[in-house]
Amino acid sequence: EVQLVQPGAEVKKPGESLKISCKGSGYSFINFWIGWVRQMPGKGLEWMGIIYPGDSDTRYSPSFQGQVTISADKSISTAYLQWSSLKASDTAMYYCAIGNGEYFQHWGQGTLVTVST
Amino acid sequence: AIQLTQSPSSLSASVGDRVTITCRASQGFSSALAWYQQKPGKAPKLLIYDASSLESGVPSRFSGSGSGTDFTLTISSLQPEDFATYYCQQFNNYPFTFGPGTKVHIK
Repeated sequence: EVQLVQPGAEVKKPGESLKISCKGSGYSFINFWIGWVRQMPGKGLEWMGIIYPGDSDTRYSPSFQGQVTISADKSISTAYLQWSSLKASDTAMYYCAIGNGEYFQHWGQGTLVTVST
Repeated sequence: AIQLTQSPSSLSASVGDRVTITCRASQGFSSALAWYQQKPGKAPKLLIYDASSLESGVPSRFSGSGSGTDFTLTISSLQPEDFATYYCQQFNNYPFTFGPGTKVHIK
């Protein structure tokens, strides 16, 4: 069974850094693209970017390029989404999901990131 | 980037109704479109890919069609578990993008 396990929640202050994880199991980690999708409170889905763990090929949406870093450690079947300096506007649910590099077939349960003083 | 619009943004329907949701793209492409269902507090679920291919395990009352700039998701006979928000997503060009969503309410 394919599983993508994410931490449930993170609470941070503005200006702090954060790296959230997505651990895959039940499939060949290096052979599927992993993507990240943002959902701000009460809003729709936003495609942030994807990475191919096999060779670390990464694509970003221009809306998120330079704002976040997507990475993967294939030795532990884990992908990451990272911020160097959080803003209140980064408060959102962040989903990881895997697929063939086009659409997402399996999704994690999401990590709720709250940025507040 | 390809922009996607969805219509309607919300609709009210009864169990057993036929429901059609439209996704319109700012530029045309062949079939690089997927549809997802999201229920409150849950992750999205893939329903349709390549515009008209049904994902494994998804009930056959869901179907997709279209090409060019206009795509549709149809639910042939709405069931209680289908009340949710539906999103289209294009994967023809980077950056891939989602539509704004269509919320299906109980009438």
